[in-house]
Parts: sequence; C-alpha cells; structure tokens
Amino acid sequence: QVQLVESGGGVVQPGRSLRLSCAASGFTFSSYAIHWVRQAPGKGLEWVAVISFHGTNKYYGDSVKGRFTISRDNSKNTLYLQMNSLRAEDTAVYYCAKDRTSGSRTGPDYWGQGTLVTVSS
Amino acid sequence: SYELTQPPSVSVSPGQTARITCSGDALPKKYAYWYQQKSGQAPVLVIYEGTKRPSGIPERFSGSSSGTMATLTISGAQVEDEADYYCYSTDNSDNYRAVFGGGTKLTVL
Repeated sequence: QVQLVESGGGVVQPGRSLRLSCAASGFTFSSYAIHWVRQAPGKGLEWVAVISFHGTNKYYGDSVKGRFTISRDNSKNTLYLQMNSLRAEDTAVYYCAKDRTSGSRTGPDYWGQGTLVTVSS
Repeated sequence: SYELTQPPSVSVSPGQTARITCSGDALPKKYAYWYQQKSGQAPVLVIYEGTKRPSGIPERFSGSSSGTMATLTISGAQVEDEADYYCYSTDNSDNYRAVFGGGTKLTVL
C-alpha cells in the first residue's frame, strides 16, 4: 500500500532554515510527481510546491517562491523541502502527497500524515 | 493570483443531499479534484478529474461541472460524512500553478 512519511518538523526561529523529508513506499516513486501542501493551525489547505517525476520541473506557490526549494532523490525514494528565511506565517502542518497520474502532474491522491513546523522566537 | 471560491459551510440532515460548490475562472478548461478532511486527519481524495470516484469511495459521492463551477454532491449524506471539503485545481498559465479552495465545513445533523 502507498505510504508517505514526513519528518523534520519542529520549532525554529524566524529567519532560520529547516529541511523536511518525505519517505515513500508502496509505489514506483520515480514515476510520479510529488506535492508539498501545508495547513496552518485552524486554516485551510495551501498548495506549496510540486516536483516532476524526474526532478527536472519544479513549481512553487507565490508565498514560498524564492525561499523554499523542493527536491527529490529517486534512489532513496525520498522527497525534500528546504525552507529558508522562515516566517511566523510558515507555521503549519506540512504534508507530502503523491500525484495521481504517472509521468504527469494532475492532482494529489495519497497523502502522508504531516509534520508540524512552528516558527517562533 | 488564481482563486477557487467555496461556501464556508453547508448543513444538511442525515439522508438529505448535500451540494458543495467551487467556483473558478479556469474550471471550464481544468479539472476539479475534491478532498475530504476529517478533524485531525490527512485529506482523502473523493473525486478526481471532475467526476471520477477513486476505489473505496462510497457511491453517494459524485462530482459535476458546468462552466466556471464544479460541484461535489453527497446523495443521502451520513453522519460520518461530516468533515471539511476542499476543491483543488490549476490555473490556465503555462507555469503549473495549483490552488485549493478555502474549504467548506459540512455539518450533518
């Protein structure tokens, strides 16, 4: 069965950096685009970024562009999100989610359980 | 920036039909996806490509689209369907840009 397990969350000071990881299993990781989606406490879902199956194409939401970098290591079945210049408004649960369609970018289907990032001094 | 608009809340009695709408300028050309999120849990895909239901999702969940509006319909809503529902789609730009609607709290009581 598809499994996505996020890690790396925690408490970080404003302006500092943090790297999240997402370990995938149960499907051919190298064939699917993967998304990062976040949810601030008590708020709705916000799309953060997506990376193509081969890692060449990367797209970002406006609120994180220039500060966050998505990457992947297909040899390790792992997705990453490097978050720099963190702000209080980046506080959220961060989910990784597999795209539904092999070799394309359509929309997420399976989601991990999320990892909480808290930006606070 | 592109936006998808949903009503904040919808309320129905058990057994009634619940309809949740999602409005966006690109929806005539882009599919809507729908997600169910229960309290404290990760989202679950309930409708993809506007009208298709993943395996394991009850038949009472259906999707439709007309013009700039997509609709999630729950026919004969059950108490266990009470959750937040989000639509998702992309805009018409050459650069991939995805967005979620603001979410709709469905109350079944």
